[in-house]
Amino acid sequence: DAGITQSPRHKVTETGTPVTLRCHQTENHRYMYWYRQDPGHGLRLIHYSYGVKDTDKGEVSDGYSVSRSKTEDFLLTLESATSSQTSVYFCAITQSGLMNTGELFFGEGSRLTVL
Amino acid sequence: QKEVEQNSGPLSVPEGAIASLNCTYSDRGSQSFFWYRQYSGKSPELIMFIYSNGDKEDGRFTAQLNKASQYVSLLIRDSQPSDSATYLCAVNVYGGSQGNLIFGKGTKLSVKP
Repeated sequence: DAGITQSPRHKVTETGTPVTLRCHQTENHRYMYWYRQDPGHGLRLIHYSYGVKDTDKGEVSDGYSVSRSKTEDFLLTLESATSSQTSVYFCAITQSGLMNTGELFFGEGSRLTVL
Repeated sequence: QKEVEQNSGPLSVPEGAIASLNCTYSDRGSQSFFWYRQYSGKSPELIMFIYSNGDKEDGRFTAQLNKASQYVSLLIRDSQPSDSATYLCAVNVYGGSQGNLIFGKGTKLSVKP
């Protein structure tokens, strides 16, 4: 168990409102990731972090920002939510300590609905 | 655009049969290949990885890799109803903005008692 907690697990919000999803880990893993999963698209990387204050964009980063001010927390923010951002969001870590070897451990997911 | 392709299924097999899940990838430079299992409403979990051509066995699961054909497969022997899930193929690629890992869309497996 990599000790990943995502919050909130479920959220319904309205278009145009800001939303922040939190990923918290307890085991000092360096690399953390945010993915979204949508029917017909599979898992797609939004942003990832390779250390405190070190982040980079993934495949679908438009409309999202991230912050990592502490090793244990990786925040995903939707500044102004849109209906196209309705999705299930997964946080993940790389247990090996290496950059995205593919051996990911995922959190339980956060289901976001934007009305 | 680097891609990972899987048949979406559903693939239906009877209990006790062998389930064969297939995946093709476009990046010839890929070196690492992964299979994740995802139960409905749950998060993906890593079940197998393979780096070299050939077969890799772990219990009832066998991963097969053919880099020349850009093909990776997962065999599940003695399939059980508890194996019913969506199986995601993931490939480690180099370059681009994907954070080096691209997922297929998944194949849904249904094992009938």
